[in-house]
Amino acid sequence: GDSVTQMEGPVTLSEEAFLTINCTYTATGYPSLFWYVQYPGEGLQLLLKATKADDKGSNKGFEATYRKETTSFHLEKGSVQVSDSAVYFCALTPMKTSYDKVIFGPGTSLSVIP
Amino acid sequence: NAGVTQTPKFQVLKTGQSMTLQCAQDMNHNSMYWYRQDPGMGLRLIYYSASEGTTDKGEVPNDYNVSRLNKREFSLRLESAAPSQTSVYFCASRPGYENSPLHFGNGTRLTVT
Repeated sequence: GDSVTQMEGPVTLSEEAFLTINCTYTATGYPSLFWYVQYPGEGLQLLLKATKADDKGSNKGFEATYRKETTSFHLEKGSVQVSDSAVYFCALTPMKTSYDKVIFGPGTSLSVIP
Repeated sequence: NAGVTQTPKFQVLKTGQSMTLQCAQDMNHNSMYWYRQDPGMGLRLIYYSASEGTTDKGEVPNDYNVSRLNKREFSLRLESAAPSQTSVYFCASRPGYENSPLHFGNGTRLTVT
């Protein structure tokens, strides 16, 4: 069945370091792909999305490219800040679903230290 | 914009007590969801409602009931709470078209003793 796999955390980085959080998926056809972020004590919020192969989603300095050939959607940021400390979830919506469905990865916790 | 509003924010129950978690959205979204979030388990779908008047089971529906009262409101009921239901509960909504993102509330932290 459809699934999402993320790199295990927690990830700890120094401020201004480069961030990569890996995400790979299993799905038939061309799902839509998302990154959500959850700040402490809050619900998840959409960070970025891509709906077809080779699309690049971007927001707040974060980027992710939909790679059909490697079934990946890795999240990157060139220079992280303390305020980026949060849990990041990769997710997909299968195409032509028989019901309304969103599949989440397990989440990756990021801590950025000054 | 209020977005998705959940009440209450915190709740402590004794085993066997009942309660209803309330959720309302003001974005005219068709689809609404209830998830639970537990350490090491990620987000698990309890129930969802693809449109007003319909509800369907997700991954972990046992011991929960839901009501889609109208397009705005989707409530989750625990008839007889158990310690295994201690969790953070999130309500979410989305317009319903294929690549539309979810909009989440801020969660209800429930403890069952």
